[in-house]
Amino acid sequence: SQQGEEDPQALSIQEGENATMNCSYKTSINNLQWYRQNSGRGLVHLILIRSNEREKHSGRLRVTLDTSKKSSSLLITASRAADTASYFCATEAYTGANSKLTFGKGITLSVRP
Amino acid sequence: SAVISQKPSRDICQRGTSLTIQCQVDSQVTMMFWYRQQPGQSLTLIATANQGSEATYESGFVIDKFPISRPNLTFSTLTVSNMSPEDSSIYLCSVDSHYGYTFGSGTRLTVV
Repeated sequence: SQQGEEDPQALSIQEGENATMNCSYKTSINNLQWYRQNSGRGLVHLILIRSNEREKHSGRLRVTLDTSKKSSSLLITASRAADTASYFCATEAYTGANSKLTFGKGITLSVRP
Repeated sequence: SAVISQKPSRDICQRGTSLTIQCQVDSQVTMMFWYRQQPGQSLTLIATANQGSEATYESGFVIDKFPISRPNLTFSTLTVSNMSPEDSSIYLCSVDSHYGYTFGSGTRLTVV
């Protein structure tokens, strides 16, 4: 079953604007990760935030995590046309000796030049 | 992080046939993961493959339909058997790179 649920499902913005994407999940996690997928190709890992962290930055990306609300947000600042892609949140939970990554449905971001 | 070479990148297959997808990793990894992404959908984990043991399949996926091989710590294959149009999807392999997961570039399968 899917763990993360992103919103909005689709987002269209002008180049230079900021894009905010949200993710909610249902059960306890060890960390939450955001991925980007261009045109149905392989996924690219963007950022990981652990359950004991509240905010993390990487370049133009800012991710927050609120474990009390079981939610996360991804902010892309000063968006570019090249940011056009699908974005997925994924939660990782450790089950015994293994870990399992569970993906949300994804958000389609379109950045208009 | 690891680099994965996944082949083929795409294929169009006749129903009833089988397709084997290969993933080669540039470093030794304990576990490899296989996902399916149906059109317009998210990724669903098919199975986890450990070297030297049988793969562990998720609910809804069975070995007869998706046999997996893991002959060494850098290589794995997923076979989609007796294909039907419902198997048309993107199939991806993945490994844990400690600070996130690395994915292959995906295999876009169309069954006609």
